[in-house]
Amino acid sequence: DIQMTQSPSSVSASVGDRVTITCRASQDVSTWFAWYQQKPGKAPKLLIYAASRLLSGVPSRFSGSGSGTDFTLTINGVEPEDFATYYCQQANNFPQAPITFGQGTRLEIK
Amino acid sequence: EVQLVQSGGGLVKPGGSLRLSCAASGITFSSYSMSWFRQAPGEGLEWVSSISSNSANVYYAESVKGRFTISRDNAKASLFLQLDSPRAGDTAVYYCAGCYGATYCHYFDYWGQGSLVAVSS
Repeated sequence: DIQMTQSPSSVSASVGDRVTITCRASQDVSTWFAWYQQKPGKAPKLLIYAASRLLSGVPSRFSGSGSGTDFTLTINGVEPEDFATYYCQQANNFPQAPITFGQGTRLEIK
Repeated sequence: EVQLVQSGGGLVKPGGSLRLSCAASGITFSSYSMSWFRQAPGEGLEWVSSISSNSANVYYAESVKGRFTISRDNAKASLFLQLDSPRAGDTAVYYCAGCYGATYCHYFDYWGQGSLVAVSS
């Protein structure tokens, strides 16, 4: 299975800061890649798919980039509602190979 | 508004059985591929199983293959996950999720609220 490694595991930020979270795949996943946001006790919410496509309705302060093995999620101007845990997900060669997620990055208030 | 409403979670003994349900509204359910995910307490997300829109294709994670069964009833706009012979390691919040498409999803834009399954004697 493809292993997804996120960094950092947690990050502290103030409202208005720019935050960058990275995810590295153990092998090439092309752009079969997504980012999710999850708040405590809630289901994940899809933010970005195909590595850089913003889901309709997601604020434009979120952006994604990358391809192959290295990906980045950037939040330009963190808002109070953005404090949550973020997960990366790959779906390369699914369903012949399983979908896998990173371990999560917790965005905390500084 | 799209809604996926889950039911059927709870406490189950190792070796027992449990059936999770996910009722959809606000979508043409028969046009959506559906999946189950789980999240152990304090842990990350794990894909469990997927089913195509017409039930012709089903897929399972190795960790649940042979023990869990995914199914759907398009007439009732419902998705199911039958957990047979669960183990302590299956304890988790289970989420149903889906996307528009006939065969399978790569990304999941609709999610249920989650159902807690606790496996313990």
